[in-house]
Amino acid sequence: GQQLNQSPQSMFIQEGEDVSMNCTSSSIFNTWLWYKQDPGEGPVLLIALYKAGELTSNGRLTAQFGITRKDSFLNISASIPSDVGIYFCAGQLEEGTGANNLFFGTGTRLTVIP
Amino acid sequence: DTEVTQTPKHLVMGMTNKKSLKCEQHMGHRAMYWYKQKAKKPPELMFVYSYEKLSINESVPSRFSPECPNSSLLNLHLHALQPEDSALYLCASSQNDPWTGLGEQYFGPGTRLTVT
Repeated sequence: GQQLNQSPQSMFIQEGEDVSMNCTSSSIFNTWLWYKQDPGEGPVLLIALYKAGELTSNGRLTAQFGITRKDSFLNISASIPSDVGIYFCAGQLEEGTGANNLFFGTGTRLTVIP
Repeated sequence: DTEVTQTPKHLVMGMTNKKSLKCEQHMGHRAMYWYKQKAKKPPELMFVYSYEKLSINESVPSRFSPECPNSSLLNLHLHALQPEDSALYLCASSQNDPWTGLGEQYFGPGTRLTVT
């Protein structure tokens, strides 16, 4: 399957700091989705992106669909303790390449220190 | 409402048992999915149902048997599992099926399965 490289693998930050993480691929994607997963729970959809260059916000979260369509970025501003969790990017390939399954990144584990 | 529900929340079963996982969505979504997730790894696709028909089987062993009784329900029947099958099993749904459209997938809370 497609490999999505997500970085960083883990982050330890102080409460109130901003966070940036990204996801890159060698393939062109038509959709980028960002999920947050708490331990023992299912992933929760945070933001969906459908157009190259698109910048979308959801509260303190902002995500961007890279111009090359091979990457995406997620920023969290003014982090709070409940931001702790694993963040996954997921992408769907360019149309015409078969089933538009979701391919997941390897995840970024975020720890917020109060 | 973007809720997908799954039961049970936790399941412990022996290698000779038969059990079933259940998933339900009332969003009118056309596609439903089963994923398997091991600790610290991303979800791995197992099956996709599109319009209540199995459209994708990602080479999953036959000891996992999916079933879609209607457009809102998805089951995963388990039989003769191995300890390495212990994982979090996630159900998801999407408005568009994966062959004709892109779109968001919404996940349920998962069933934590332990095979002893």
